[in-house]
Amino acid sequence: AQSVTQLDSHVSVSEGTPVLLRCNYSSSYSPSLFWYVQHPNKGLQLLLKYTSAATLVKGINGFEAEFKKSETSFHLTKPSAHMSDAAEYFCVVSDAMNRDDKIIFGKGTRLHILP
Amino acid sequence: GAGVSQTPSNKVTEKGKYVELRCDPISGHTALYWYRQSLGQGPEFLIYFQGTGAADDSGLPNDRFFAVRPEGSVSTLKIQRTERGDSAVYLCASSSHRTGEQFFGPGTRLTVL
Repeated sequence: AQSVTQLDSHVSVSEGTPVLLRCNYSSSYSPSLFWYVQHPNKGLQLLLKYTSAATLVKGINGFEAEFKKSETSFHLTKPSAHMSDAAEYFCVVSDAMNRDDKIIFGKGTRLHILP
Repeated sequence: GAGVSQTPSNKVTEKGKYVELRCDPISGHTALYWYRQSLGQGPEFLIYFQGTGAADDSGLPNDRFFAVRPEGSVSTLKIQRTERGDSAVYLCASSSHRTGEQFFGPGTRLTVL
């Protein structure tokens, strides 16, 4: 069975500094991993996804994530935060090859950008 | 093109009442998902449709919850005998295939008084 843990419920960074949002997962098979962003009063939007191709995945708005199987991690990073990055971020795991797979969302990390 | 739409955007009802929440997926998307998001939590999977059939309804919390997608497009989530604990934002998403990117609607905020 899959699970996903977002290690921080809140992260605050200053504008222009790097962002790191942490995600650890567990999966019985080869997982698909996603990061979604949810801005206030807006729908969830896909930032990036990993589906067993390149381990370093580049997404929209300058975000990227690295799949590390040995650490069962899929942390989200961005070199320089913008005020517009303030939102809730969700790490998601799915085992597409497993007939019983579920799509599991983490509890979310709220990113605060300080001026 | 049009994204996923959900109606109503807000629904306030009384305990014990019946409600229906509607989802219009992106045209041509065969996969449709319902999630429930409680305050301060991530979306919780409820049910997944592939075409007209519910391929996975294991996330439905109990038999008061039911969903249909009779023509393989629009879906309706139905909640009978609503309880205060059903209050949440109900999200719908669609994708072109099972492992594809899910496109989310804005959600329906359900409040049970």
